[in-house]
Amino acid sequence: GESVGLHLPTLSVQEGDNSIINCAYSNSASDYFIWYKQESGKGPQFIIDIRSNMDKRQGQRVTVLLNKTVKHLSLQIAATQPGDSAVYFCAENMGRRALTFGSGTRLQVQP
Amino acid sequence: DTGVSQDPRHKITKRGQNVTFRCDPISEHNRLYWYRQTLGQGPEFLTYFQNEAQLEKSRLLSDRFSAERPKGSFSTLEIQRTEQGDSAMYLCASSRGLAGATTQETQYFGPGTRLLVL
Repeated sequence: GESVGLHLPTLSVQEGDNSIINCAYSNSASDYFIWYKQESGKGPQFIIDIRSNMDKRQGQRVTVLLNKTVKHLSLQIAATQPGDSAVYFCAENMGRRALTFGSGTRLQVQP
Repeated sequence: DTGVSQDPRHKITKRGQNVTFRCDPISEHNRLYWYRQTLGQGPEFLTYFQNEAQLEKSRLLSDRFSAERPKGSFSTLEIQRTEQGDSAMYLCASSRGLAGATTQETQYFGPGTRLLVL
């Protein structure tokens, strides 16, 4: 069935570098996409979201890019810090209220 | 702290027992969601409420699961006759939906209740 997927299960970066986490989606009915950060033993923490009428949105140190042509979503984290180490999930709404999540990418920040 | 709260944070039970979890959403959030997350996976949708009405249920929500939101504020999720396969993190999220709006709003998650069925 259609689902949200991630290209890499683990991403390791040096402190201070920029991180890019990628996500592919396949449901053309999705018009809302969201990134969450989840630390061990905690619930998902909202990072940034984007609607399908936009292709870029920026927050504090984070940018989300949406390419509807190839159904691709990415999260860019600038100047990655040790506190950014976590699992990152992208999710889409598939035209519904419920969110459909991918399996996550683990970001490891090396000091 | 005015975020989503869940109770208990951890629950260990024996197979066949019933368990009940509680979720208190962010104040004034009219939509409340339940998700389940197993180790190494993303959360999976179970059900959601708009005010006190349960508007959608996933196929994952077997007849052993029941959720309520009687006054449109807190919600409970009960699992009857627990099975080892029910072991997971149960997450609650809430959002503020605008009447008549069709656009999606941000869902904010609580810390979860980790269930272990022995």
